[in-house]
Amino acid sequence: NAGVTQTPKFQVLKTGQSMTLQCAQDMNHEYMSWYRQDPGMGLRLIHYSVGAGITDQGEVPNGYNVSRSTTEDFPLRLLSAAPSQTSVYFCASSSVPGPRHTFGSGTRLTVV
Amino acid sequence: AQKITQTQPGMFVQEKEAVTLDCTYDTSDPSYGLFWYKQPSSGEMIFLIYQGSYDQQNATEGRYSLNFQKARKSANLVISASQLGDSAMYFCAMREGRDDKIIFGKGTRLHILP
Repeated sequence: NAGVTQTPKFQVLKTGQSMTLQCAQDMNHEYMSWYRQDPGMGLRLIHYSVGAGITDQGEVPNGYNVSRSTTEDFPLRLLSAAPSQTSVYFCASSSVPGPRHTFGSGTRLTVV
Repeated sequence: AQKITQTQPGMFVQEKEAVTLDCTYDTSDPSYGLFWYKQPSSGEMIFLIYQGSYDQQNATEGRYSLNFQKARKSANLVISASQLGDSAMYFCAMREGRDDKIIFGKGTRLHILP
C-alpha cells in the first residue's frame, strides 16, 4: 500500500541507549519531516528534508540526527536517549510544495 | 511568539449542530498556506482542508470549510452538521514561504454529544 511507513510502532529504551526510528515512503515525495507529539504541545517539528542529501532543523532538533541518502528513506537517530524524549513520533511526506502531507502511523517511544 | 494559536483546548457540541474551531496565525511572509488536520483516538493524522494565502475563495471539502479572514490572520474550521465520528483532536497548521515545513498549533479536542 502506498504511503508512509514507520517502524517500530512501539519502543522502550533505557536512558543513554541509542536507536533509529525508520521512515519510508513510496510516493516519490521530495519533502519529508519528523515531528514529536507531547500532551498539550501539539506536533513540533524536529527535522525536515526537501530532497535527498538536504536536511534542516525544525523547532526542537536537539538530541536528534537525521540524514537523507535516498528519496524514499528518512531515518531519525537518537544518539543517547533521555526521558525527555519520551513521546509519539510522526514522520510525514509531501510533494514540494504540496498542501497535503501524508503522515505515518507514529512510533510511541518511552525512555526509562 | 506562537505562530499558530488555537484558543479552545476543548469543545462540547451537540450532534448535528455546526462547529467552528478557532485558529489565528502570525506570519510576515506574503506566501503561506494554512491546514487543518484531524487526529482521532486511533492516533493517525488525517488531512482535512488547505487554504493558500493567495486563494480568493474560502476552501471547502465536503462538510468542512475554512473561514479565511486574511486581515485578521484568522483561519477557522467550520464543520457543518456534526457527527459522532467528528469527535477528535483538531490541529491548525501553517506553511511559510517555499521551504514547506509545517508548524502546528496545540490543538482543540472536540467532543460531539449524542
